[in-house]
Amino acid sequence: QVQLVESGGGVVQPGTSLRLSCVASGFSFSHYGMHWVRQAPGKGLEWVAIIWSDGSNKYYADSVKGRFTISRDNSKYTSYLQMNSLRADDTAVYYCARPDYCSATKCPPGDYWGQGTLVSVYS
Amino acid sequence: QSVLTQPPSASGTPGQRVTISCSGSSSNIESNTLNWYQQLPGAAPKLLIYTNNQRPSGVPDRFSGSKSGTSASLAISGLQSEDEADYYCAAWDDSLNGWVFGGGTKLTVL
Repeated sequence: QVQLVESGGGVVQPGTSLRLSCVASGFSFSHYGMHWVRQAPGKGLEWVAIIWSDGSNKYYADSVKGRFTISRDNSKYTSYLQMNSLRADDTAVYYCARPDYCSATKCPPGDYWGQGTLVSVYS
Repeated sequence: QSVLTQPPSASGTPGQRVTISCSGSSSNIESNTLNWYQQLPGAAPKLLIYTNNQRPSGVPDRFSGSKSGTSASLAISGLQSEDEADYYCAAWDDSLNGWVFGGGTKLTVL
C-alpha cells in the first residue's frame, strides 16, 4: 500500500537550518511529483513547495522562496525539504503529499499524505 | 490573509444540507480547477473533491462540488456527525505560480 513517512522535525533556534525527509513506498516514486504542505498550530493549511517527478521543475510559496529548497532522490524513494534561515513563523507540522488527478500540468496534493513532522522554531 | 476566501465556520443538523463557499480571482479559481480537502481532528488532510466536481474513489456522493467564475462551493447533503471537520479549498494560482489554500471552514454538526 502507498505510504509516505516524514521525518527530521524538531526544535531549533531562529536562523538555523533543518532538513526534512519524506520516504515513499508502495508506488513508483519516479513517476510522481511531490508536494510539501504545512500547518501552523491551530491554523490552516499552507502549501510550501512542489517538485516534478524528474526534479526538472520546482515551485515555492513566496513565504519560503529563497530560504527553502525542495529536492528528491528517486533511487532512495525520498523527497527532501531543506529549510534555512528558519523563523518563528515557520513553526508548523510539515506534510508531504503525492500529487494526483492532474489538470493540464497542475497536480494538486492528492490521495496520499504523510502523518506529518513537527518543526518548532523558538529562541 | 488567504488568497482564497472561505467562511470561518458553518453548521447544520444531522440530515441537513450545508454548503461552504470559496471565493478567489481570475488568476486562480477562474482559470484553474478547484479542489476540496477534509481534515478531521488530529488527522492529515484528505482529498474530497478534485477538478471542481469529481470525487476520488471512496468519497460518498453526499459530497459534491461546483464552480462558477471566481467562486466555488462544496455541498454536503444528508449531514452526519462524522462530517464534523475542517474543510479547505485549493487551486493553482497563475500569478503566484503556486498552489493556494483557503483559510478553512470549521463545520459543526449540531
